[in-house]
Amino acid sequence: KAGVTQTPRYLIKTRGQQVTLSCSPISGHRSVSWYQQTPGQGLQFLFEYFSETQRNKGNFPGRFSGRQFSNSRSEMNVSTLELGDSALYLCASSLAGGPRDTQYFGPGTRLTVL
Amino acid sequence: GDSVTQMEGPVTLSEEAFLTINCTYTATGYPSLFWYVQYPGEGLQLLLKATKADDKGSNKGFEATYRKETTSFHLEKGSVQVSDSAVYFCALSTPGRGGSNYKLTFGKGTLLTVNP
Repeated sequence: KAGVTQTPRYLIKTRGQQVTLSCSPISGHRSVSWYQQTPGQGLQFLFEYFSETQRNKGNFPGRFSGRQFSNSRSEMNVSTLELGDSALYLCASSLAGGPRDTQYFGPGTRLTVL
Repeated sequence: GDSVTQMEGPVTLSEEAFLTINCTYTATGYPSLFWYVQYPGEGLQLLLKATKADDKGSNKGFEATYRKETTSFHLEKGSVQVSDSAVYFCALSTPGRGGSNYKLTFGKGTLLTVNP
């Protein structure tokens, strides 16, 4: 079974631009979560989607948004980029996002904001 | 709120040495506990998990036991290899809004370097 895929793997943007990242979950998985990883803050939860609905959101500004499509693929968007948005963005999928479900991670998208 | 504390390292060991990475947690309810590993330039891979007290998760020679009385989930391996060099993250599942979905709360990660 194919794993979680994320595109693109690397992005370079300048301040003020916006960016869209894509995530394709493991086949059959309906829950998709996004995490931001930085050296200073570590791994932080952004949001989670299930059946095209956002069920949970972390403590990030409204510039960070996402959506999920009917095939469970997900995108996240960051508008008005800031230098501090430079990070590795990880997508994870699970069957239903339940308490014992394992989240499987993709390789991440490395975003650099100049 | 829920949180995870793990030794931050870095930890440097010689091949075949014994490894312990401590992890303690604070959580309401009965979370599931996980260890993930991240190799350079890659995403996170699940190493092992435990979903209830006294469960032992194991994989590739690594083990961790869910200790509710000490709120701990320490990672151990009897004999490390150079290929085990990576960053290890302890995590717990915490309920989201409405309690119907769960997110992972991670520790800061522990960098392990194993020398030949």
